[in-house]
Amino acid sequence: RKEVEQDPGPFNVPEGATVAFNCTYSNSASQSFFWYRQDCRKEPKLLMSVYSSGNEDGRFTAQLNRASQYISLLIRDSKLSDSATYLCVVTTMDSSYKLIFGSGTRLLVRP
Amino acid sequence: NAGVTQTPKFRVLKTGQSMTLLCAQDMNHEYMYWYRQDPGMGLRLIHYSVGEGTTAKGEVPDGYNVSRLKKQNFLLGLESAAPSQTSVYFCASSPTGVIEAFFGQGTRLTVV
Repeated sequence: RKEVEQDPGPFNVPEGATVAFNCTYSNSASQSFFWYRQDCRKEPKLLMSVYSSGNEDGRFTAQLNRASQYISLLIRDSKLSDSATYLCVVTTMDSSYKLIFGSGTRLLVRP
Repeated sequence: NAGVTQTPKFRVLKTGQSMTLLCAQDMNHEYMYWYRQDPGMGLRLIHYSVGEGTTAKGEVPDGYNVSRLKKQNFLLGLESAAPSQTSVYFCASSPTGVIEAFFGQGTRLTVV
């Protein structure tokens, strides 16, 4: 079983739609949680960190459920520029911390 | 501010050749990572380092070696390249390992 699992999509939505992505992780000792965005053939960039209390950044809301080992990302009022792959990322402790990525969920926003 | 710089950006190797990918960061970060990304696979951790002189294996370390002789540099070596190592390689660095990681622009490697 992969440490971090995501629905690969693609999610194909019209502009203005609300879309939600989910992610599950297998290591209950995971420490930190993030959503990264990756545009085609580019490097991943941090979209937002995810906290137990939930956090919001403009149209983006992230939630963490430690009991269920589940992370979510909600995008409201989708824009064409939101089209990208969204990567769920978890920090786990082995002998030291390491960043583990999910395989990503692709979002296509159409006019 | 350069951030994380990867060298080279593109390379074509013949099976059996060796090469070294260089990752350099100017942010004084302790943690550095090497990932490979294949279509539909996301980023898979090859090796990582938690400080100068340290290295550790990730999810897919076989066929690769690394060194971190200087804090700012993390080298990824392929001793005998195989077609299965055709991929996009990303390097990243982070101050502590539990906060944001910053990525280089990637190296596109083709092994023929």
